[in-house]
Amino acid sequence: GEDVEQSLFLSVREGDSSVINCTYTDSSSTYLYWYKQEPGAGLQLLTYIFSNMDMKQDQRLTVLLNKKDKHLSLRIADTQTGDSAIYFCAESETSYDKVIFGPGTSLSVIP
Amino acid sequence: DTGVSQDPRHKITKRGQNVTFRCDPISEHNRLYWYRQTLGQGPEFLTYFQNEAQLEKSRLLSDRFSAERPKGSFSTLEIQRTEQGDSAMYLCASSKTDAGYNEQFFGPGTRLTVL
Repeated sequence: GEDVEQSLFLSVREGDSSVINCTYTDSSSTYLYWYKQEPGAGLQLLTYIFSNMDMKQDQRLTVLLNKKDKHLSLRIADTQTGDSAIYFCAESETSYDKVIFGPGTSLSVIP
Repeated sequence: DTGVSQDPRHKITKRGQNVTFRCDPISEHNRLYWYRQTLGQGPEFLTYFQNEAQLEKSRLLSDRFSAERPKGSFSTLEIQRTEQGDSAMYLCASSKTDAGYNEQFFGPGTRLTVL
């Protein structure tokens, strides 16, 4: 079945890099996503990667995809206190199919 | 275009009551999705529509839940005989189905509390 797993908590110091890891089981996943959710706020799509890519960079964000191991990671460079939030790894078979979310990683940034 | 809107934003009800939520998608988005998010979890898929047709329902959608999208625009999600376990954030999202990448845009959610 479809399953997405990620570690639940991560704590980093301001200015350091954060790396959030995720594994998924569905080999037919075509799109993989990282969403951000701040307390009391809605889901914000941070970035996505297509399954035929192995890396995508967008400003401070770097996404790495290892399709063979079904492993996805999100690196946030120069982490700021405003990056404190829950980060969800997610996947879907097409970009308009249902999205399967992981449990979320709560990132705490220590000033 | 103001994005996906949901109404109400909060709902408190007593166990056994019926509740109905509304979602207005982004205009011209033919797909509309419902998800449920409980505390400390990621959103879980409930059901989705393409235009007015309900194409898939999760096993999470018990027979107390019913969703409609009668004219292919807004959608309603009704929960009958609410239980405390129904307390959650109910999220709606919409997208197009064009070739290539179509972002699913999420609404702010309706937070349901069942007492």
